[in-house]
Amino acid sequence: SQQGEEDPQALSIQEGENATMNCSYKTSINNLQWYRQNSGRGLVHLILIRSNEREKHSGRLRVTLDTSKKSSSLLITASRAADTASYFCATDAFNKFYFGSGTKLNVKP
Amino acid sequence: SAVISQKPSRDICQRGTSLTIQCQVDSQVTMMFWYRQQPGQSLTLIATANQGSEATYESGFVIDKFPISRPNLTFSTLTVSNMSPEDSSIYLCSVVGGLQETQYFGPGTRLLVL
Repeated sequence: SQQGEEDPQALSIQEGENATMNCSYKTSINNLQWYRQNSGRGLVHLILIRSNEREKHSGRLRVTLDTSKKSSSLLITASRAADTASYFCATDAFNKFYFGSGTKLNVKP
Repeated sequence: SAVISQKPSRDICQRGTSLTIQCQVDSQVTMMFWYRQQPGQSLTLIATANQGSEATYESGFVIDKFPISRPNLTFSTLTVSNMSPEDSSIYLCSVVGGLQETQYFGPGTRLLVL
């Protein structure tokens, strides 16, 4: 990818479990955003964390950012079958928006 | 949030031809972008569409292959020129809205080149 990698590439869990996805990036950033994409569908914006923030919550989502390590993580708690999708991080490198390689999450009912 | 539409939503084209994709936003935005998403892959930034000046292309993308227009703050086009099967992909436009932070995406144009 243009900006960095995400791991794992794929993750399969049972409904009710937590899912953690990690994103690494290469350059200094203004903010980092997470998106969800259901198969064959458009991108849904989930959450934005600014470079001066370390952690952010939104519902069942928790995002952390470590600018010294150039990494971020997305935690989805109490996962549901409807969370099955691909998840991408995207960095705002000062008016350039680059995507990570993505994590495919499968939540089994 | 910005509402973005793209035309066409999908197309099947013959190699060697060109296709122009339109992106319309319901409000004026400063920044517009074009991305490509190949099957099963992440999004790759093609270029930044600049209003009133030439687009800014990312490494590996050139104006002759992907000419871009942006005549005003709500509209842009991307042309995929002299297409080959390797150009089969989803092409998405996006804008930055709100406090110039959140990036919103159009529904994409699914292109198949035979």
